[in-house]
Amino acid sequence: EPEVTQTPSHQVTQMGQEVILRCVPISNHLYFYWYRQILGQKVEFLVSFYNNEISEKSEIFDDQFSVERPDGSNFTLKIRSTKLEDSAMYFCASEGPPQETQYFGPGTRLLVL
Amino acid sequence: RKEVEQDPGPFNVPEGATVAFNCTYSNSASQSFFWYRQDCRKEPKLLMSVYSSGNEDGRFTAQLNRASQYISLLIRDSKLSDSATYLCVVNKGNGGSQGNLIFGKGTKLSVKP
Repeated sequence: EPEVTQTPSHQVTQMGQEVILRCVPISNHLYFYWYRQILGQKVEFLVSFYNNEISEKSEIFDDQFSVERPDGSNFTLKIRSTKLEDSAMYFCASEGPPQETQYFGPGTRLLVL
Repeated sequence: RKEVEQDPGPFNVPEGATVAFNCTYSNSASQSFFWYRQDCRKEPKLLMSVYSSGNEDGRFTAQLNRASQYISLLIRDSKLSDSATYLCVVNKGNGGSQGNLIFGKGTKLSVKP
C-alpha cells in the first residue's frame, strides 16, 4: 500500500537555526499539507499546497515558514529561524484519488534547544 | 466555543465493553466529518468517515447530526488493540479537495484485560 514518508524522524536544533523537514507524498496525489502537534495538544493545520502554490495557510504559518515542491516527489517545510515554541511533531499529509482522504506521514519530531 | 470539542477522557473500559465517544463542532459550514485514531507518538490514521445517514464498519458505528452539530463514535466488543486516542475531525472543504482538517484534542481510550 502506498504511503507518505518523512525524513528525518527526529531532529534536534539550536534556537535560531534553519531546519528543513522533508516529505514524499503518495505519487498520484495532488494536494499536500503540513500539520503540527505540540506535545499533549491537538493536531493543528499549518499550510496546504496545490498546483505548486500555497492554497491556504493558518496564523501559525508566519514569515518564518515556507514550503516548496522542488521536484516531482519531495515536499518540504522550511523553518527559517527556529524558536523554542516550534518544538513539535510535524506531520505531512497528501490527498488524492480514488477517495479524497488525507493520508499522514509518520512525522518528524523537532526539538529546538 | 472551540472549533471541535471532545471529552478528553480517559475512558478506562474492560475488554468486550461498548464505549461511546461524542464530539461537537462549531462551524455549521463544515462539510466532511471523520474519526481518526492516533496511537501514542504516531501519526493520525483514518478510522472512518461519518455520514448523515450513519455508517458502520465492523465493530465501529459513526453518526452525524448536522442540526445539533454533533458526531458520535460507538465501539462494540472493545479489544485491547482499540486502546488509543480517538480524534474527531471536521473540514470546511475547499473546492476539489478536503481542505484543511480541524482536529479535536482527542478522547483517550484504554481497554483493560
